[in-house]
Amino acid sequence: AIVLNQSPSSIIASQGEKVTITCRASSSISSNYLHWYQQKPGAFPKLVIYSTSYRASGVPSRFSGSGSGTSYSFTISRVEAEDVATYYCQQGSSNPYTFGAGTKLELK
Amino acid sequence: QVQLKESGPGLVQPSETLSLTCTVSGFSLTSYSVSWVRQPSGKGPEWMGRMWYDGDTAYNSALKSRLSISRDTSKNQVFLKMNSLQTDDTGTYYCTRERIRGSVFDYWGQGVMVTVSS
Repeated sequence: AIVLNQSPSSIIASQGEKVTITCRASSSISSNYLHWYQQKPGAFPKLVIYSTSYRASGVPSRFSGSGSGTSYSFTISRVEAEDVATYYCQQGSSNPYTFGAGTKLELK
Repeated sequence: QVQLKESGPGLVQPSETLSLTCTVSGFSLTSYSVSWVRQPSGKGPEWMGRMWYDGDTAYNSALKSRLSISRDTSKNQVFLKMNSLQTDDTGTYYCTRERIRGSVFDYWGQGVMVTVSS
């Protein structure tokens, strides 16, 4: 199975700050198959970025993604209070699909 | 609009079988795949398996021996059955719509919390 290592495991940021999360895969993944989800407490995961860099419907432009091969990143350009959540990367390149362990974003 | 809703028992005895139903609306099961994803409390999600749009199935090898996914297209329902449940199967179980291109989960149900306990 492809293991996805997310870092950091937690971030404490101020409103308006830029934050970046990294997802490193144990094997190379096509960029079409790397996605990011946002999960707020008590809710289901919500798709934010698909295929490395495409924003899902209704997602604000402050969210972006990039990467290739085994290294991917997710960025919030200016954190807002509503962005407090845990973020997961996911690969759909090979069975079994796997998720990262998550990065918890909190506000200072 | 696209909706998925899980239903099933909240409490299962150890060694028993879990049966869950995912009822979908707003899309056809013959055009989209549906995956089951579970999440232990405080941990990351785990993909369990998939019902393809063409009726084929795929399973996480870690669960394959215990898991079965089926569907009834006339009722817009996908079913999950997993046997020999243990306490570490406790968690929230979600059904998700999966886009074939990219294998991305673009819509999720609200989830059903399953506790394995005697």
